[in-house]
Amino acid sequence: AQSVTQPDIHITVSEGASLELRCNYSYGATPYLFWYVQSPGQGLQLLLKYFSGDTLVQGIKGFEAEFKRSQSSFNLRKPSVHWSDAAEYFCAVGSNDYKLSFGAGTTVTVRA
Amino acid sequence: DTGVSQNPRHKITKRGQNVTFRCDPISEHNRLYWYRQTLGQGPEFLTYFQNEAQLEKSRLLSDRFSAERPKGSFSTLEIQRTEQGDSAMYLCASSPKLGSHEQYFGPGTRLTVT
Repeated sequence: AQSVTQPDIHITVSEGASLELRCNYSYGATPYLFWYVQSPGQGLQLLLKYFSGDTLVQGIKGFEAEFKRSQSSFNLRKPSVHWSDAAEYFCAVGSNDYKLSFGAGTTVTVRA
Repeated sequence: DTGVSQNPRHKITKRGQNVTFRCDPISEHNRLYWYRQTLGQGPEFLTYFQNEAQLEKSRLLSDRFSAERPKGSFSTLEIQRTEQGDSAMYLCASSPKLGSHEQYFGPGTRLTVT
């Protein structure tokens, strides 16, 4: 069975600074990887996805993620955060049976 | 494309009551998923449908839970004899076609059992 670990429960970053959120996955085959963002009381919005090909993927809102098979990682980055990026971020892995397994999430706080 | 919609957005009920939630997926999306999210956790898979067929149910889905998608369009999730442990956000998601792994989520239904 697949699983996801997000080692950081909470990250605080200054507005304009860079952000990196860590994600490690466990899956026996080629994974389908996703990052979602959730604002308080809201559903999840898809930021980006990796299925195959280029290991650096671009997403919405200026986010990107890099797939590293050797490290079983799919870290999310943003060069310069905005106050509106404060939210909870979830990494997920999908398998051939189309279910998603999510990590516990990382809460991002942006300080002025 | 109006997105996945869920109703109601919030539900407060007393322990032992039955509740039903509705999910309307994005038009023409074949697959529909239900997840449950408790505070401080990521969503956990409950069940999914391809068209009207329910293909898999998680062991999290006790016999008090039932889900339907009668005509392959909207879906309902019913919880009978609610317990305080059922308090959670119930999320619905849909996928565009067979072979697509992307899932698009609705805003969720927040259930509080008192």
